[in-house]
Amino acid sequence: EAQVTQNPRYLITVTGKKLTVTCSQNMNHEYMSWYRQDPGLGLRQIYYSMNVEVTDKGDVPEGYKVSRKEKRNFPLILESPSPNQTSLYFCASSPHASEKLFFGSGTQLSVL
Amino acid sequence: QKEVEQDPGPLSVPEGAIVSLNCTYSNSAFQYFMWYRQYSRKGPELLMYTYSSGNKEDGRFTAQVDKSSKYISLFIRDSQPSDSATYLCAMSPPGGLTGGGNKLTFGTGTQLKVEL
Repeated sequence: EAQVTQNPRYLITVTGKKLTVTCSQNMNHEYMSWYRQDPGLGLRQIYYSMNVEVTDKGDVPEGYKVSRKEKRNFPLILESPSPNQTSLYFCASSPHASEKLFFGSGTQLSVL
Repeated sequence: QKEVEQDPGPLSVPEGAIVSLNCTYSNSAFQYFMWYRQYSRKGPELLMYTYSSGNKEDGRFTAQVDKSSKYISLFIRDSQPSDSATYLCAMSPPGGLTGGGNKLTFGTGTQLKVEL
């Protein structure tokens, strides 16, 4: 089944404890992106990747890191999480020259 | 001012009603218009995809784009309780996410509840 898989689905952590949210897609898509979704603010792009080893900042990149060593994987790293990073996070992918995004099921992160 | 404006709702309608969801936008470069449906605790899924002005129909759903007014709509006919979800409009310039634009610009979503 074609899908974008994120793990974990739910995560509670404490301020300053490094964490990684994994994202994997099995559709051979070039483009991958991370979004956070907050009430009243909608979906905001954190980082995106046009292809392997090509990443760039989105609208709200502060406090996040990403890497794209393989086409299928695009992990999101929070080196020192803070409470304002409590949010619902989505990974998404898209095939080359397409505007259509395919989303994962989301990761609900709470930073205490 | 946001690039894309969408009434957040919530919108509550009886089963069988015709629903109209709308977005306005300010960027005239947008050429591709999408509607995503997001159920509670799930990721958004693509529902409708249109290019430039005009209408597109898919079953009970009709997407309408008026580029001259910078206004898009999604109509749902014979609404069902299973249509209860948040509907997000999204837009993009031409060229795809790996070409003309690196992201979709989303509205904040309209929460719809269809009651029995």
